[in-house]
Amino acid sequence: EVQLVESGGGLVQPGGSLRLSCAASRFTFSSFAMSWVRQAPGKGLEWVSTITDSGGRTNFADSVQGRFSISRDNSKNTLYLQMNNLRADDTAIYYCAKGGWLGFFDPWGQGTLVTVSS
Amino acid sequence: EIVLTQSPATLSLSPGERATLSCRASQSVSSYLAWYQQKPGQAPRLLIYDASNRATGIPARFSGSGSGTDFTLTISSLEPEDFALYYCQQRSNWPRTFGQGTKVEIK
Repeated sequence: EVQLVESGGGLVQPGGSLRLSCAASRFTFSSFAMSWVRQAPGKGLEWVSTITDSGGRTNFADSVQGRFSISRDNSKNTLYLQMNNLRADDTAIYYCAKGGWLGFFDPWGQGTLVTVSS
Repeated sequence: EIVLTQSPATLSLSPGERATLSCRASQSVSSYLAWYQQKPGQAPRLLIYDASNRATGIPARFSGSGSGTDFTLTISSLEPEDFALYYCQQRSNWPRTFGQGTKVEIK
């Protein structure tokens, strides 16, 4: 069974930075696109970013374009989300998910909570 | 951006009843639509992909239909574990977008 485990969340001040990681296992990580999706407290789902299997192409939501970057290390089976210039409205649970480029998000990790507050 | 509008916002039903959830897209997404289920404190789970295909391990009581701009998720006979939030999502265009969700609650 595919396993995705996010880490790196926490409390950060507005304007600060944070890097999330997603450790993948039990599938051939280098063969699949990967994505980040977030959910603000009590709100719906918002797609954040997707990266292709090789890492050669990426896409971002307008709300994070220019502030967030996505990357992956296929030798470590790990996906990353670098978040800079964080704002209060970035507060959310951040989920990593397999897929999202040519397919849908399946499965999802358990999520990591990012809180942006002074 | 393709806007997905789900209706109703809340569906109050009893176990054993049939649930019909709607998702309407602001422009055609062909069949590139999925449905997810989310329970409190859990990550979403893929139920249906490409409008009508059940994901691995999803019970047959879940079915999806539609194409273009109008889609339906049907739960033929609600089980206690089916009371949850349901989201639709399109992969036709960037940005990927989700509907706002439909809550299926126990009546």
